[in-house]
Amino acid sequence: NAGVTQTPKFQVLKTGQSMTLQCAQDMNHEYMSWYRQDPGMGLRLIHYSVGAGITDQGEVPNGYNVSRSTTEDFPLRLLSAAPSQTSVYFCASSYGTSGGGSDTQYFGPGTRLTVL
Amino acid sequence: KNQVEQSPQSLIILEGKNCTLQCNYTVSPFSNLRWYKQDTGRGPVSLTIMTFSENTKSNGRYTATLDADTKQSSLHITASQLSDSASYICVVSSTDSWGKLQFGAGTQVVVTP
Repeated sequence: NAGVTQTPKFQVLKTGQSMTLQCAQDMNHEYMSWYRQDPGMGLRLIHYSVGAGITDQGEVPNGYNVSRSTTEDFPLRLLSAAPSQTSVYFCASSYGTSGGGSDTQYFGPGTRLTVL
Repeated sequence: KNQVEQSPQSLIILEGKNCTLQCNYTVSPFSNLRWYKQDTGRGPVSLTIMTFSENTKSNGRYTATLDADTKQSSLHITASQLSDSASYICVVSSTDSWGKLQFGAGTQVVVTP
């Protein structure tokens, strides 16, 4: 199993540009989520999905869109990039819900995004 | 205000020594508490997951403890190795916030020869 994969590893955007961060998992996990990690702060939840066709907002959803058309893929779209979105983005997946359950959460390697 | 506070922010220890990291949380109602290890430039990796009824859980040289009454947890690293140099993150989930975990900012551990 490849686990959770993310592309690209690095990206530089100009303010106002849009792009999609890709995330895929091959473990047949229902639950997938996107986080951003900024220096000195804990990971913050952007959006999450509990299955194909179902998504919901996390703590910091503004400026980001998601969709979940298949169990395997959960892309994150930046609509109009801003310097405040400079961060490291992590995708994660788990078999069940990470909220009430005790399922192990698997993270991807991250995408380091810089917005100029 | 962050509902998960970790201390210290960073520490340096000699190879072979032990260390203990602390996590205090206010998340309620409590579901489970996790400790992750994050190497530089990589995603977090799960070390332990503890539910309300568990007081301690080990994973090799890592031992986590949980006191749900005082809302405190610790992660003890025994006989540290150079490969233990990483950020250690405490994560708490609530039965009220389905699917949403609260992350601490992490403790940066540096193990020196």
